[in-house]
Amino acid sequence: TQLLEQSPQFLSIQEGENLTVYCNSSSVFSSLQWYRQEPGEGPVLLVTVVTGGEVKKLKRLTFQFGDARKDSSLHITAAQPGDTGLYLCAGASWGTYKYIFGTGTRLKVLA
Amino acid sequence: ETGVTQTPRHLVMGMTNKKSLKCEQHLGHNAMYWYKQSAKKPLELMFVYNFKEQTENNSVPSRFSPECPNSSHLFLHLHTLQPEDSALYLCASSQAGTSGGEETQYFGPGTRLLVL
Repeated sequence: TQLLEQSPQFLSIQEGENLTVYCNSSSVFSSLQWYRQEPGEGPVLLVTVVTGGEVKKLKRLTFQFGDARKDSSLHITAAQPGDTGLYLCAGASWGTYKYIFGTGTRLKVLA
Repeated sequence: ETGVTQTPRHLVMGMTNKKSLKCEQHLGHNAMYWYKQSAKKPLELMFVYNFKEQTENNSVPSRFSPECPNSSHLFLHLHTLQPEDSALYLCASSQAGTSGGEETQYFGPGTRLLVL
């Protein structure tokens, strides 16, 4: 069974701090996605990484796909209250439309 | 607004009731999904429809019955549910390519279901 473990599970930080969220698995994925979900809404895709070792930047967010395609990280620089939400990683296997979602990291950024 | 709408947004039902959840996507996508999001578990894929054909049933109990009459609409029919089925049910759509695994899924806001 494929599992994606995220850490930490909860994170409460002050505005302006940096943070990193990890997504780890023993399985290999063809691609990995990161989503953010806010209360009362569905998850919204932030990024898709498809190449081992790939790094993508989205403003203050930096995403990295592990060389072995088993793990990923999300780094936020100078966090803002608007970054508050549930962060989910999701991995997909080749040739499938089946996404396995991670356990989630609930982030709260205090002003 | 993601282009995926779900109704109702909230639903309370007894264990003997029959109800249906509705999802509609206005994005011209060819794949639609049902997910279950519980407080204690990761987001779980329930069903996948690709070009109106069910391509995935993730060992979901038969008290959940999906229906996809066309590529824009997806239903989840519920009957004799249990209290542990209380959760947020999310619908998503994507434009499925030939390789799979890299599509962007667009999620609706979900239906919050409470089974008494």
